[in-house]
Amino acid sequence: QQQVKQSPQSLIVQKGGIPIINCAYENTAFDYFPWYQQFPGKGPALLIAIRPDVSEKKEGRFTISFNKSAKQFSLHIMDSQPGDSATYFCAASENAGKSTFGDGTTLTVKP
Amino acid sequence: DGGITQSPKYLFRKEGQNVTLSCEQNLNHDAMYWYRQDPGQGLRLIYYSQIVNDFQKGDIAEGYSVSREKKESFPLTVTSAQKNPTAFYLCASSRYRVSSYNEQFFGPGTRLTVL
Repeated sequence: QQQVKQSPQSLIVQKGGIPIINCAYENTAFDYFPWYQQFPGKGPALLIAIRPDVSEKKEGRFTISFNKSAKQFSLHIMDSQPGDSATYFCAASENAGKSTFGDGTTLTVKP
Repeated sequence: DGGITQSPKYLFRKEGQNVTLSCEQNLNHDAMYWYRQDPGQGLRLIYYSQIVNDFQKGDIAEGYSVSREKKESFPLTVTSAQKNPTAFYLCASSRYRVSSYNEQFFGPGTRLTVL
């Protein structure tokens, strides 16, 4: 049973566009929702994270929107750049325990 | 510099051989993890360890073994029992159940190819 479902699997946008990646979870005990960014051949790195007591968090061009009642959260990338082309993973964890990851979204930003 | 190191970066193995992937961290993290990543797929948890001398199976532990004799080190052995070991292996660490925020720090990965 997959506890975190991520969509879409791949996404292509033009430079300056606003790609949106969505994740849905089932375990209501999850209390930490990070997004990781991974470039080819590298390990993932934390991009931004949110806890369920807030509905939105913004860091630079990256924003997480969180809907607790719907058990969904999403990543928005404002003014996307070719350098943002990477694979993005959402994740969720409970009480600072091990994380459950989504399957990833490969983003391509065309110049 | 604090971080996680994995070695080797590339590893080639003949069928029937066991190989051990190294993972070391100097972040003083209690928890360490091993993930497998196949092309175009997500991260699948192989094993994780919360404290020294203790570890638990993840979702795909069959054909793998680990040890946690030191806090800094969490080596992964890919045994000959693993049917399809060719993959990208990622090690990570975190402050397990210590902080409200459970960011995982990942190493650069080891790409294993079975010849």
